Amino acid sequence: QKEVEQDPGPLSVPEGAIVSLNCTYSNSAFQYFMWYRQYSRKGPELLMYTYSSGNKEDGRFTAQVDKSSKYISLFIRDSQPSDSATYLCALRTSGTYKYIFGTGTRLKVLA
Amino acid sequence: DAGITQSPRYKITETGRQVTLMCHQTWSHSYMFWYRQDLGHGLRLIYYSAAADITDKGEVPDGYVVSRSKTENFPLTLESATRSQTSVYFCASSDPDIHRDYGYTFGSGTRLTVV
Repeated sequence: QKEVEQDPGPLSVPEGAIVSLNCTYSNSAFQYFMWYRQYSRKGPELLMYTYSSGNKEDGRFTAQVDKSSKYISLFIRDSQPSDSATYLCALRTSGTYKYIFGTGTRLKVLA
Repeated sequence: DAGITQSPRYKITETGRQVTLMCHQTWSHSYMFWYRQDLGHGLRLIYYSAAADITDKGEVPDGYVVSRSKTENFPLTLESATRSQTSVYFCASSDPDIHRDYGYTFGSGTRLTVV
């Protein structure tokens, strides 16, 4: 079993839809959670960061962590065609600065 | 320009050849990382470095060598390239003492094809 599981998609939604992207994990010691966005032929860029449990909101993006279920989510409101990209979750424990990445979910927002 | 740069952007090499991928960052970040990205596997850590002259293996280190004599440079060498090393390689840097919440900053990647 992989430490981090992420549905590869592709996920296609119409413009304006609410998008939910998810990762599940097996190691209860993960404390730091990040979401990266990667456009085609580019490097990943940090989108959201969350420490431990709870929600964090930044504009149209909300990151949610449910440590009891070992489940993290990224919600995108009012999705735009420019949100079309691959979204990767990344997790780490407090004892290391190495992140474990999910395989990424490819999102297509249709105009 | 400030940032993290990788070179070359594209490289085709033959099986058995040695090839070096370059990574340079201008922030003096202490940590640097090399990842490879393959369909179905996501980003897998090859090697990382916590400071100059300190390197350690990641998840998939076999066939690769790194060095870090200067803080800003972290080259990755494939000693004898194999077709299974065809991939997109990303370098990243970070400094948890300064930017705990900022995660990694990635370069634009090197697309390597081994024929």
